Amino acid sequence: ILNVEQSPQSLHVQEGDSTNFTCSFPSSNFYALHWYRWETAKSPEALFVMTLNGDEKKKGRISATLNTKEGYSYLYIKGSQPEDSATYLCASTSGTYKYIFGTGTRLKVLA
Amino acid sequence: SQTIHQWPATLVQPVGSPLSLECTVEGTSNPNLYWYRQAAGRGLQLLFYSVGIGQISSEVPQNLSASRPQDRQFILSSKKLLLSDSGFYLCAWSKAGGGFGGYTFGSGTRLTVV
Repeated sequence: ILNVEQSPQSLHVQEGDSTNFTCSFPSSNFYALHWYRWETAKSPEALFVMTLNGDEKKKGRISATLNTKEGYSYLYIKGSQPEDSATYLCASTSGTYKYIFGTGTRLKVLA
Repeated sequence: SQTIHQWPATLVQPVGSPLSLECTVEGTSNPNLYWYRQAAGRGLQLLFYSVGIGQISSEVPQNLSASRPQDRQFILSSKKLLLSDSGFYLCAWSKAGGGFGGYTFGSGTRLTVV
């Protein structure tokens, strides 16, 4: 994989449902992966920084896992709420100051 | 604490007109600075980055240019806008030296070229 890819592109879930989405990134020369939450008309907000294979990070109802050997990360949201509606971006770096961003997963939580 | 300011928030410009978007960072020295664009239906694309005053690297050939006249000021410009320049522009900064610190983003500029 030469680029960072995210799937699905968009997702609608009912309030209370749990959901997850995927970020695939180049596994060679991996250094770090970031997850951001991006609400419309606001700036992307950092959620997690992940660096080690097998890393698992958690922030409230949101958690993320990292597999650097196969080049993927999952973001999980437990008990989705309408305020979780946003675009979730992942970005990967090989250690330089340049990050490659995925196209994002647009989540809409229906009340 | 560090803050990043980006303006204007929205802009509607006619084809062929000039462009100037400004971004300033406060509370840090010698930041790495970035301009990203999100075109309709696409991901964030890195346009320019800068690791110091007067040092600009361009990632893609295009109708835009960037300048860094001061340590914490980053400007995106165009002499003549094209329709394809429409999009959402984000300025960001990170700590000097790279690493895994990630970015802090500005609030963005929605540019519509008509």
